[in-house]
Amino acid sequence: EAQVTQNPRYLITVTGKKLTVTCSQNMNHEYMSWYRQDPGLGLRQIYYSMNVEVTDKGDVPEGYKVSRKEKRNFPLILESPSPNQTSLYFCASSRAHSSDTIYFGEGSWLTVV
Amino acid sequence: GQQLNQSPQSMFIQEGEDVSMNCTSSSIFNTWLWYKQEPGEGPVLLIALYKAGELTSNGRLTAQFGITRKDSFLNISASIPSDVGIYFCAGNGGATNKLIFGTGTLLAVQP
Repeated sequence: EAQVTQNPRYLITVTGKKLTVTCSQNMNHEYMSWYRQDPGLGLRQIYYSMNVEVTDKGDVPEGYKVSRKEKRNFPLILESPSPNQTSLYFCASSRAHSSDTIYFGEGSWLTVV
Repeated sequence: GQQLNQSPQSMFIQEGEDVSMNCTSSSIFNTWLWYKQEPGEGPVLLIALYKAGELTSNGRLTAQFGITRKDSFLNISASIPSDVGIYFCAGNGGATNKLIFGTGTLLAVQP
């Protein structure tokens, strides 16, 4: 079954404590990305990756890092989380240059207190 | 970052009614996509549109790619309770996979 798997699904953490949200896809997709979803703002892209070792900033990259050492994994790193990073995060993957094949993970609810 | 203007923000309707929502952009898009997000889930693709003027159906859902390539609408006919969710439009303007998302339309259907 085609899947994008995120972990953790739910997390409450404290300001400044580094955390990583993992993302893994089993479809051999080249393209992966991270979005955050906030009320009234829809989904905004944080970072994306066109292939292994190729990453680039999306629309709201501040406070986040990513890495793409393997094709299937694309972790999102919050080095020093702040309360304004409380949000619902989605990982997505797709074939290269084929936005209609984008699959989303189930989301990760992150609360920073 | 760029966002699409999606309206209405929310709709509360009776079962059986038809629904219409739309998205507009200041930029031209090559692809328009419509997604549905149910509680606790990620967005799921409903319809993809690739050409200006294209009209595509998926069951009770119909979507159109505007002639100007700057807008799209989604219609749902004879709504049912399981249509409840947030509907997002998304546009892709270039050769990359980057999607620009609308702000979403929350649909509530009363039985």
